[in-house]
Amino acid sequence: RKEVEQDPGPFNVPEGATVAFNCTYSNSASQSFFWYRQDCRKEPKLLMSVYSSGNEDGRFTAQLNRASQYISLLIRDSKLSDSATYLCLHQGTGRRALTFGSGTRLQVQP
Amino acid sequence: DGGITQSPKYLFRKEGQNVTLSCEQNLNHDAMYWYRQDPGQGLRLIYYSQIVNDFQKGDIAEGYSVSREKKESFPLTVTSAQKNPTAFYLCASSPRTSGGTNTGELFFGEGSRLTVL
Repeated sequence: RKEVEQDPGPFNVPEGATVAFNCTYSNSASQSFFWYRQDCRKEPKLLMSVYSSGNEDGRFTAQLNRASQYISLLIRDSKLSDSATYLCLHQGTGRRALTFGSGTRLQVQP
Repeated sequence: DGGITQSPKYLFRKEGQNVTLSCEQNLNHDAMYWYRQDPGQGLRLIYYSQIVNDFQKGDIAEGYSVSREKKESFPLTVTSAQKNPTAFYLCASSPRTSGGTNTGELFFGEGSRLTVL
């Protein structure tokens, strides 16, 4: 089983829709989680950190579910500019490398 | 401004040649990473370094080599042993917390696109 797994999509949604992605992880001792956004042919950029208590930044909400070993990203009121690939990143214990999921592609349509 | 600089941005190589990708950071970060990305794929870890003069293999280290002689620099050499080197290569660095652990937040360079002819 891969360390981090994501549904590759693409998720095609209309403008204004609410969309959610999940990212599952296999290492129950994983410590830190992040969501990154990557535009086509560009480097990934940090979107938000994921805390156990959940965190919200405008239209974006990130959640961590340790019992079921997944993190989620919810985007409300989707904009055309939200079209991108969303990557989850996690850091496990006992190893200080940071592992990415394969990414979920979102396409917001007018 | 502080950041990470990768060069060259585009590189073409003939089969059988080694090539070195440069990665320099002035963020004073201890940890540095090299990832490879293939079209439509996620990022796969090649090598990482937590401190000067120390580095560890990632998931796909075969055919690659690195060095970390200075904190600011973490060059990646793609050797002729790498069977499918055409890819987008991303270098990143990560700061440490006051407690000495990595924060997990990655700062990326703009990447280097390597094409083998």
